[in-house]
This record gives sequence, C-alpha cells and structure tokens, in this order.
Amino acid sequence: DAKTTQPPSMDCAEGRAANLPCNHSTISGNEYVYWYRQIHSQGPQYIIHGLKNNETNEMASLIITEDRKSSTLILPHATLRDTAVYYCIVSAPPPRFGNEKLTFGTGTRLTIIP
Amino acid sequence: ETGVTQSPTHLIKTRGQQVTLRCSSQSGHNTVSWYQQALGQGPQFIFQYYREEENGRGNFPPRFSGLQFPNYSSELNVNALELDDSALYLCASSSIAGAASGEQYFGPGTRLTVT
Repeated sequence: DAKTTQPPSMDCAEGRAANLPCNHSTISGNEYVYWYRQIHSQGPQYIIHGLKNNETNEMASLIITEDRKSSTLILPHATLRDTAVYYCIVSAPPPRFGNEKLTFGTGTRLTIIP
Repeated sequence: ETGVTQSPTHLIKTRGQQVTLRCSSQSGHNTVSWYQQALGQGPQFIFQYYREEENGRGNFPPRFSGLQFPNYSSELNVNALELDDSALYLCASSSIAGAASGEQYFGPGTRLTVT
C-alpha cells in the first residue's frame, strides 16, 4: 500500500527550477518526508528530508505544506546531470538501533531538456 | 572515506542454484540494509543488519538470508534461485550517529540474472 503519490514523469528545461510534487495525505505525526534520486545504473542517492519545516541544503529545497499532506522538492537550477528517477518516501524516525527501512514507490522520472 | 562497494557487479545464475552477494559498508557505518529492485520498480526492502544481527525484515521468503561481519561488511545469500529473483540488488549502509537523519548510503548494486 503506497504511502506517497508522485507523477510518473516530468520534463524541465536546463537551467530552470524543477519542482517535483508528492502527495502523502496519510502521513502520521511522527513521519518524516525523505527524497532520494536514482540516476540510471546507480544506487539511490539521498537528497533531503524534513518533518514539518521547509528545508534547504546544497542540492535542493523541500517545501512541506502546513497540513503535511503534500510536499515539493525543488532543484533550483536543473542541469542535465539531474536527469534521474526521484523518490518521495515517508518514514517514521529511525529506531534506536539503526535506520528504519525505506519504502520506495515508483517515483518520478525527471528529464532535463537541453 | 570510501563509499559503499558491492561485488560482483554482474552475475548470471541458473534456476535452482545458490548465490552470495557481498557489500562493504561506508567507513564508520554499522548498519547494513539490502534491497531488491526489479526492472522499472523502486527498491524493495529485504532486511537490515545491525551488530551482526537481523534488525528488521521485509516480505521476502526465508531462502533470502544474510550475514554481517565484525567489520560491518555483509553478505546476501539467496537459495533455490527463481526466475523472478532476477533484479538489481542494492546494499545501503548507515550509522547510529547518523540515525537521526535517516540517511542511507547506497552502493552501485549487483545485477543478478537467473536463467
């Protein structure tokens, strides 16, 4: 049973901001939103995560709505190397002994157009 | 600091055979998780190891088993291979120190083909 809903594919022009939406209407109060991406033939790569506040790091920004039922990952200046499948994941905070498992959906295939 | 490495990169096996895949975790990481990724799908959690013990398991049969060694490296063993076991097998490492972030570091994967 999927906890997140993402569009299957999106295109974005090189140099523009890529905005990837994710719906997680059944998110629980203690669940975080994680974003990973997977470039072709590589393992997934962590991008960013958040609980309820907006977050920014060197790769991206994460905007979470006030009701926490949806979020948007923003790549501010997309490059061709950002072409990948992007996964939005909701997960409880890691237990004491390690990290909680990640439940991946099918993600959004983002293609950056030159 | 070295990243997560996996071996071999590719493997072809016959139905009914057994296979062992290997993973070296990132330096300083004591938790290893294994995922199976079928073509066109997202990775599916198989199990996780912490301090050499299984620390959670996904919906996979007992013929999928694992080990974690004192140096935190890990093996995934699959017995009685089936055609549907053909997939990319991913290993991810993480640390208690980083546990609060939930961040996992993935290796490049082993592509297993069962014929």
